[in-house]
Amino acid sequence: GDSVTQMEGPVTLSEEAFLTINCTYTATGYPSLFWYVQYPGEGLQLLLKATKADDKGSNKGFEATYRKETTSFHLEKGSVQVSDSAVYFCALLQPWGGAQKLVFGQGTRLTINP
Amino acid sequence: SQTIHQWPATLVQPVGSPLSLECTVEGTSNPNLYWYRQAAGRGLQLLFYSVGIGQISSEVPQNLSASRPQDRQFILSSKKLLLSDSGFYLCAWTGGSSYNSPLHFGNGTRLTVT
Repeated sequence: GDSVTQMEGPVTLSEEAFLTINCTYTATGYPSLFWYVQYPGEGLQLLLKATKADDKGSNKGFEATYRKETTSFHLEKGSVQVSDSAVYFCALLQPWGGAQKLVFGQGTRLTINP
Repeated sequence: SQTIHQWPATLVQPVGSPLSLECTVEGTSNPNLYWYRQAAGRGLQLLFYSVGIGQISSEVPQNLSASRPQDRQFILSSKKLLLSDSGFYLCAWTGGSSYNSPLHFGNGTRLTVT
């Protein structure tokens, strides 16, 4: 079945460092791809999305490009802040029994030190 | 705008006791509704989804059940909780008409079974 693999965490960076969190997927067809963020004690918030090949999703300084040739959707940010500390989930959306199903990666915990 | 509400936010229950978690969505009609569980240190697992009133699909066999008595209400239940039911439960919704619509999550319920 479809699956998502994320780089293992935890990831610890200093403020203003460059961030990359790798995400690759296995899927039949061309699913929509998403990054969700989970701040401590909270639910998941949609961070960005891309629905077709070469689309670039962006939000709050984060970017990810849908790469069909490498089946990847890596998350990047040029200069991280302490407030970016959270768990980040890569996910793909697949049709499922008349609805849609999000298949998540395991999540990557990011800690930014001042 | 659409909003999703989950309650309670936290819950501590003894083994063998019943469970009822509620989720409601406002500002939309006929949403697809989902229950996910996030066990400690692990990713997110889809438990149930529903494409309409009274229509429930289960992803994995377990000690839990779900019901959808109204269009925008989704309930997660158990008759007798197990220790392994502890976790963070997330309700989510998406518009039923668009394949590319992302899921929107509630703030979650943290359940501890003692």
